[in-house]
Amino acid sequence: KAGVTQTPRYLIKTRGQQVTLSCSPISGHRSVSWYQQTPGQGLQFLFEYFSETQRNKGNFPGRFSGRQFSNSRSEMNVSTLELGDSALYLCASSTIVAGGSYNEQFFGPGTRLTVL
Amino acid sequence: GESVGLHLPTLSVQEGDNSIINCAYSNSASDYFIWYKQESGKGPQFIIDIRSNMDKRQGQRVTVLLNKTVKHLSLQIAATQPGDSAVYFCAENRGYGQNFVFGPGTRLSVLP
Repeated sequence: KAGVTQTPRYLIKTRGQQVTLSCSPISGHRSVSWYQQTPGQGLQFLFEYFSETQRNKGNFPGRFSGRQFSNSRSEMNVSTLELGDSALYLCASSTIVAGGSYNEQFFGPGTRLTVL
Repeated sequence: GESVGLHLPTLSVQEGDNSIINCAYSNSASDYFIWYKQESGKGPQFIIDIRSNMDKRQGQRVTVLLNKTVKHLSLQIAATQPGDSAVYFCAENRGYGQNFVFGPGTRLSVLP
């Protein structure tokens, strides 16, 4: 079974631009979460999507948004990029077990975004 | 605020020795925990998980221990190998969605 895939792997943008990152979850996984990883802040939760609906959101400004498609693939968008948005953006997918709890969240390799 | 933290930011062990990586959590409502390994340039790799209704779970060369009384989680790696060198994160799920809180990570260095 293929793992979580993310595209592109590397991206360089300039301040003020916007960017869209893509994530394909493991087949059968309907929950997709996004995280930002930086040396200073570590791994921080951005948001989670399940069945095309955002279920949870972390403490990030509205410039960060996402969506999920009917095939569970997800995209996240960052508008009006700032230097501080430079980070590794990680996507993770998971299944839902009976009772609504989660199971084995698996990560993709990430997209390395550099904002100049 | 509440957070998941680690007691040791760096850990160096001799090849063949056992490693123990510790993690403290503060939310007693957390019901699911995962240990991840992250190598340079890669995403976190799932190692082992444990739910709050258990206090021990074993995998291949790894054991996770959960002490809910003192809100402590540990990862034990048996016969540590050079390939185990990485940063290890504990992650805590607080019961509402796939929203995990990660600790700052511990860097494990395996010495020859």
